[in-house]
Order: sequence, then structure tokens, then C-alpha cells
Amino acid sequence: AQKITQTQPGMFVQEKEAVTLDCTYDTSDQSYGLFWYKQPSSGEMIFLIYQGSYDEQNATEGRYSLNFQKARKSANLVISASQLGDSAMYFCAMREEGGTSYGKLTFGQGTILTVHP
Amino acid sequence: DSGVTQTPKHLITATGQRVTLRCSPRSGDLSVYWYQQSLDQGLQFLIHYYNGEERAKGNILERFSAQQFPDLHSELNLSSLELGDSALYFCASSPGTGFGPDTQYFGPGTRLTVL
Repeated sequence: AQKITQTQPGMFVQEKEAVTLDCTYDTSDQSYGLFWYKQPSSGEMIFLIYQGSYDEQNATEGRYSLNFQKARKSANLVISASQLGDSAMYFCAMREEGGTSYGKLTFGQGTILTVHP
Repeated sequence: DSGVTQTPKHLITATGQRVTLRCSPRSGDLSVYWYQQSLDQGLQFLIHYYNGEERAKGNILERFSAQQFPDLHSELNLSSLELGDSALYFCASSPGTGFGPDTQYFGPGTRLTVL
């Protein structure tokens, strides 16, 4: 079974609008972390935002926020006021903290976001 | 710039050869992680070192090996290379052991092409 599922292979958004990128996860661990990374066409992986499984508030970092719904096992990334520079591949990742492979990030397949002017 | 450096940026080699990829973590980070990104497998965790000790192993082939040195830089050795080993290899580093908000910051990657 997929541990991280990103169901949107591609998304389009108009500049200055908000967009939500979906991510669902599967784990039996009580303690885990959820991350979002951005990969522009240049190839580097840029950390955007982190949410811990015990965090009661949704994480926010500037224009990025994470809509964390623990019961539904979803961790959607919301980008507000999209900019042309937001066009990139976005990866959701999970780190399970209950076993021996701590540190390991498991990634989804990614969503390509295209921002139109 | 994440502060993680990787060399070389690009590597082109032939099947059967051996290569070494090098990673220097961010200043102060004790953990180093290696990941492989390919079109068919996506991003896959290979191995995690913390302060010189191996902490976790993922889908790392027996032909691949890694180590972290006393100065905390790390090397990933790939031997008996096959066409399928062509991929983007990322190194990431984090301050701690990989719990809680211990964020992994990625280097620019080494693109390996096996001909």
C-alpha cells in the first residue's frame, strides 16, 4: 500500500490565487512528521513546511500553510497568493517515528504546479 | 542555497564502473541522508548516518555503500554500475537524529548517467 498518496499529477492556478495540493498518508505510528518540499525545474529540493502528528495547530510558513486533518490522514498544502515562481513539482513526505527507520522520509509521487500569469 | 554541498554535479560513466559521490552537510548538522530520484521509482531513501554511525538503511543495493567520516562529510560509493542506476542522487542533512521537527535540508544533487 502506498504510504503517501498525491492524487493530482498536475494542477493549474492563476497568479495571485490560492491553490491546494492534496496529500493523504497511511501509517500505524502515533508519532510521525509530515513535510512538503518543492522541486523547481533546476532540480534542487527546497523544504517548505513541517507538521508534527501531535501538533494541534496547522503549520504555517509565510504563504504556505498545511491543512492537517489527522482523522482523515490528510496533510494538504495551501499556497496563498500564487506567484509565477511557485511553478514547480511539489512533494509530500512522511517520517514515521515508531520503528527503527527513523529519519527516513517516504515521498509521494509529486504534483506539478503551473502558475499562469 | 541549503548549505549542503554535493560533488560532482554531473557524472557520466559506463556500465560496470565505480563512482563516488561526495556530500558535505550544513555546518552543525550531525545527520546525513542519501536519496535516489529516478523516473520509475520516484524519490527513494537509501541510508542515514548520524555522527559517523549508520542509523537506518532503505532500499540500498548491495553494490552501493556509504560512510560518514569524522569531519561529518559523507560518501556514497556505487559499483558495478548498471543502466538502471542512472538517477539524481541527493544528500540531505539535519541537526539531530531524525525525530520531531528535525528537518532535512537537501543538497543540489548529483546527476549520474550510466551509458
